Amino acid sequence: DTGVSQNPRHKITKRGQNVTFRCDPISEHNRLYWYRQTLGQGPEFLTYFQNEAQLEKSRLLSDRFSAERPKGSFSTLEIQRTEQGDSAMYLCASSLLGQGREKLFFGSGTQLSVL
Amino acid sequence: AQTVTQSQPEMSVQEAETVTLSCTYDTSENNYYLFWYKQPPSRQMILVIRQEAYKQQNATENRFSVNFQKAAKSFSLKISDSQLGDTAMYFCAFVMYSGGGADGLTFGKGTHLIIQP
Repeated sequence: DTGVSQNPRHKITKRGQNVTFRCDPISEHNRLYWYRQTLGQGPEFLTYFQNEAQLEKSRLLSDRFSAERPKGSFSTLEIQRTEQGDSAMYLCASSLLGQGREKLFFGSGTQLSVL
Repeated sequence: AQTVTQSQPEMSVQEAETVTLSCTYDTSENNYYLFWYKQPPSRQMILVIRQEAYKQQNATENRFSVNFQKAAKSFSLKISDSQLGDTAMYFCAFVMYSGGGADGLTFGKGTHLIIQP
């Protein structure tokens, strides 16, 4: 069990640029979640996958946000035309459906700074 | 929509003391799970304890225990014999249970717990 891995740890970008974050879940986990956490707040749910199917995406913050999990393993979160308000920590978590699936394991996050 | 409220932005206690963090939630659902997560300065969220709503018995994990009052929609966390390493942000969280799928966790705003030496 190597844990949930997120890359990069930090990302600094200029307003208007596109950014992509990667999440590698625990290998046998079939559910993968993305959250956003701004300073002084709890994480905010964005979207989740069961295997390669994206089961909930209405909570993505705008149409500039998209996520994929093409082979049911790693996932990417892309933000297009970044804005300063997108600056936050983006957290990924995974779980195993059917066996304490509500017990999420979180990665260390990607800290995004938009200048 | 479910909401989770943590009314204590910050708490500070002496090492070895017992401390209780408060959490209330609002839902019309009957099947759900409640959690306490710890987020140290490294910012990695760590599960502390969880409670299934259908279980009347309060969950315990070593020095951590909860007081789950379903009718009052209250879910407090008690930390006994507090240690310096318990210093962190603590988040209360809620998720509905449904066999075919679920939303993600709904988190409160957190309580910053400081353990003083």
